[in-house]
Amino acid sequence: EDKVVQSPLSLVVHEGDTVTLNCSYEVTNFRSLLWYKQEKKAPTFLFMLTSSGIEKKSGRLSSILDKKELFSILNITATQTGDSAIYLCAVPNAGGTSYGKLTFGQGTILTVHP
Amino acid sequence: GAGVSQSPSNKVTEKGKDVELRCDPISGHTALYWYRQRLGQGLEFLIYFQGNSAPDKSGLPSDRFSAERTGESVSTLTIQRTQQEDSAVYLCASLRRAAADTQYFGPGTRLTVL
Repeated sequence: EDKVVQSPLSLVVHEGDTVTLNCSYEVTNFRSLLWYKQEKKAPTFLFMLTSSGIEKKSGRLSSILDKKELFSILNITATQTGDSAIYLCAVPNAGGTSYGKLTFGQGTILTVHP
Repeated sequence: GAGVSQSPSNKVTEKGKDVELRCDPISGHTALYWYRQRLGQGLEFLIYFQGNSAPDKSGLPSDRFSAERTGESVSTLTIQRTQQEDSAVYLCASLRRAAADTQYFGPGTRLTVL
């Protein structure tokens, strides 16, 4: 069974700090890893990573994948209060009858204080 | 439509009543997924549709839960004889095709069973 583990489970920082969120995975057939931000109910897509060592970047957020060590990190620089959210890591099932089904980590609750 | 929509946004019901939750996927998306998120927990997979067939129903927690989909359009998740432990946010996501990975989530339905 596919497994995704995130750490830390929660993080409290002040505006301007830099944070690193971790995601490790064990999957039968790896194809990609996804990061989502969840503020209220719906997760919103951040990044999809498929290749090892290639950083994806969007503004102050960036993410990288290490397929050898089976983990990914999400970095947020110069954090703002609007970054406060739950950050979710997920991997899709790559075959069989469950194609595309996402296995999620527990999420990291990030709180950014002014 | 422009995105995945779900209705109702919030539903409060009494224990023992039946509820129906609706999901309208992005037009043209062939794959549709239902997930559940209980308070303070990660997202749990419930069921996956490819077209109007459901290759994977393994996440449905009991026979009180059922879902159907009309063609490649609307899906309805039905919970019969609701219990307090059914209280959660129910999220729907769609994929353009099974080979794509980025699932787009609807806004969710928050179900509260009194």
